[in-house]
This record gives sequence, structure tokens and C-alpha cells, in this order.
Amino acid sequence: GESVGLHLPTLSVQEGDNSIINCAYSNSASDYFIWYKQESGKGPQFIIDIRSNMDKRQGQRVTVLLNKTVKHLSLQIAATQPGDSAVYFCAENEKGSNYKLTFGKGTLLTVNP
Amino acid sequence: GAVVSQHPSRVICKSGTSVKIECRSLDFQATTMFWYRQFPKQSLMLMATSNEGSKATYEQGVEKDKFLINHASLTLSTLTVTSAHPEDSSFYICSAPPVGAPRAEAFFGQGTRLTVV
Repeated sequence: GESVGLHLPTLSVQEGDNSIINCAYSNSASDYFIWYKQESGKGPQFIIDIRSNMDKRQGQRVTVLLNKTVKHLSLQIAATQPGDSAVYFCAENEKGSNYKLTFGKGTLLTVNP
Repeated sequence: GAVVSQHPSRVICKSGTSVKIECRSLDFQATTMFWYRQFPKQSLMLMATSNEGSKATYEQGVEKDKFLINHASLTLSTLTVTSAHPEDSSFYICSAPPVGAPRAEAFFGQGTRLTVV
């Protein structure tokens, strides 16, 4: 699974720019992936998910890309807004693990007005 | 969407005392709930899986006698931190996937900030 680092990776963007947040996973048995947004002092909030039989899924202003060959997941946020500032986590679910999620280390996104 | 309520949102306790945190699914039933711990600037680490009507399953390294979990109904799981110490200070978060939900799309509570002094 993912290791937990002592310092969150950070990404700083200008308002209106597109943001790309990356996540590497290590469990080849994972077949379901979720991106969560966590604001300071709050629980994670679901953004978008993708199953392993897909390589791309789009939502409102967000797109998730999955590359199973290199075990890489990315979250693209279009026209980033100050309200998007938060920590973003990817989470993976191993097939047959009964809803159990393993979280990545997270990325702190800061949107400058 | 489904709502998970966690209580209290903040608690300060003295070292050596016990603290109970509740996790409720407000508009759905959950046979399984998860408890996570999150230290500052770190990720969520799964502590245990709470199973309605049976014993919780703890992750490696988590002391089951220190972190008591009870899942007495389909809408309530509790985590009790016993004999709390300052190193137990952390952000505790529960999650619950609704029965029959798309696999692993769990909904999270708002978290409980525990400070042990």
C-alpha cells in the first residue's frame, strides 16, 4: 500500500488555471479508485471515482485518469477556484476487500486569487 | 447523499481518562463502518473495521484493548479511546458505506479532534 509521508506534496495554482494532482498506487489487485477532497478540520468528501475497466471518467470540472500499466491515477480540475483549495487524497479498494479503502499520502492544493 | 454524523467534533480530555466517539448513519443502514486516525499533514490510516453484531477487525499495530469498538446497531458505531495519553491526540474519522452501495463508496463523518492533556 501507500506509505505515509511526513510532509504533504503541495501544488499552488492561479485561479482559473487547470490543476493536475497525481497519485501512485502499489496494489495491483485494486480495482476501484476514489478521489476525495478534505478541507481543514473536516472529513473527506467524495469527488469522483473510477473502476479499473475504465481509463477516464469525467465529472463536473473534474476528470480522473487511470493508467493501470504504471499504477498511476490523476485528478484534473478545470478552471480551478479558490474554493478548490484543500488536501486531495486518492483511495484504492482491493477487489474482495469489502469496502476497505487505502489512502494515498495526499496533495495540498492552494489556489491563489 | 447519505449523511454520516460524528460526535463530538472536538474533545479535550485528561491523560488517563477514556473518551467515546460516536459515528451514526443518519438516513441509511451500515453493517460495516470504518475508523481512521489522521495525524497533522498526514494521510488517513485505517484503524479498524466495525462490524454490526460481531467483533471489530483491527489493523496491524492497533491495540484492540485501547481502542474499543462497538457496533450495536445498523446505524451506530462507537470508538472508545481508553486510558488516553497525549500521543493519542489525533483526528479520528469514521466512514460508512450504505448497505448495497456501489462498492467502497463510503461516506465520511466530519471527524473528531481529540486532544489529550
